[in-house]
Amino acid sequence: DVVMTQSPLSLPVTLGQPASISCRSSQSLVYSDGNSYLNWFQQRPGQSPRRLIYKVSNRDSGVPDRFSGSGSGTDFTLKISRVEAEDVGVYYCMQGTQWPYTFGQGTKLEIK
Amino acid sequence: QVQLVQSGADMKEPGASVKVSCKASGFTFSSYYMHWVRQAPGQGLEWLGVVNPSGDSTTYAEKLQGRVTMTRDTSTSTVYMELSSLRSEDTAVYYCARHQLDHWGQGTLVTVSS
Repeated sequence: DVVMTQSPLSLPVTLGQPASISCRSSQSLVYSDGNSYLNWFQQRPGQSPRRLIYKVSNRDSGVPDRFSGSGSGTDFTLKISRVEAEDVGVYYCMQGTQWPYTFGQGTKLEIK
Repeated sequence: QVQLVQSGADMKEPGASVKVSCKASGFTFSSYYMHWVRQAPGQGLEWLGVVNPSGDSTTYAEKLQGRVTMTRDTSTSTVYMELSSLRSEDTAVYYCARHQLDHWGQGTLVTVSS
């Protein structure tokens, strides 16, 4: 199974400041079609997870453009350009390149 | 719009079975893989398995092999997840989600307790 490792696990951020979460996979996430199926999810307190980013860098519909994804191979990053209060929650990376899908441990973003 | 509406919370005794349903609408149900994910209290997300669009093929997480069954009914656009021989460690919120987890259900809390 592909192991996904996130850092940091806790991320206190001042409102209006940027934030960055790293995600590393134990093997390349490049699929036979050339795409890397690396997704990012946000889970606000008491809610279902919501996908923010798919295939490394594509924002889902309705996701603010302050969220961006980047990376390749085994090294990926989610960036929030200016954190807002509604961004509080836990962020997960997930590989969807092969079954079983596997998630990172989660990064808890809080406001300082 | 895409909607996945799951059955309500359930409580079972150890050793029993539970079956959770997920009714889909707003998209062509028969064209999509459907997944199940769970989240134990205060913990992260765990992928449980997937059923293919026609319902004739499934892939399950190794740790649940032999205890989990995922099925789908195209006539009602519903996918099901049945977990047997329940243990306290199976207490979790269970989610259904569409392929690549682009849309999620609201979650179903399954509590296993005597």
